[in-house]
Amino acid sequence: AQSVTQPDIHITVSEGASLELRCNYSYGATPYLFWYVQSPGQGLQLLLKYFSGDTLVQGIKGFEAEFKRSQSSFNLRKPSVHWSDAAEYFCAVGASTGNQFYFGTGTSLTVIP
Amino acid sequence: GAVVSQHPSWVICKSGTSVKIECRSLDFQATTMFWYRQFPKQSLMLMATSNEGSKATYEQGVEKDKFLINHASLTLSTLTVTSAHPEDSSFYICSARDWREVYEQYFGPGTRLTVT
Repeated sequence: AQSVTQPDIHITVSEGASLELRCNYSYGATPYLFWYVQSPGQGLQLLLKYFSGDTLVQGIKGFEAEFKRSQSSFNLRKPSVHWSDAAEYFCAVGASTGNQFYFGTGTSLTVIP
Repeated sequence: GAVVSQHPSWVICKSGTSVKIECRSLDFQATTMFWYRQFPKQSLMLMATSNEGSKATYEQGVEKDKFLINHASLTLSTLTVTSAHPEDSSFYICSARDWREVYEQYFGPGTRLTVT
């Protein structure tokens, strides 16, 4: 069965520190992977996506993610966190037919000054 | 870029009434639209998938008579919550798939529904 796991429910980092949010997936075919960010009361904003090719993908706002097939992971990273990065982050895997997105349970990021 | 809008952004209604939420793709044609529900501090739960001109496909456990979905055009899908109850209060998010892109969905900003 398809599933997405975000092991960390909540993470707190200091402003300027590096960040890594974990995402593991279970999917029977080639996964199409996404990271979204959601601010309180807002919709989802796409940070980055992986379909194929280079396994290190760059996104908006200085985020990057690395696809590791052997580990079934797609971890999100940022070298230096800003206070405005505080939000909820969702990892998602898309089906090859595009008809279904499977979302992780999300990781809430708090940034302390 | 692909933009999806939702209207209204928030709505308060009385128990027993119906409320309609619109989802529009503004700069692309969406053959498929999706409706999600999100409870506080939780992830998104897919409610239904709608294809233009055909009946929506509902996920298991979602009452199709309560959550009416209409996808009448390539740019508009509507979700009507009928006979709303307080437990229907939630954040509803739609997404749309550009007919030219198979693997991606574009999300709307969400609609906050509060039933009193």
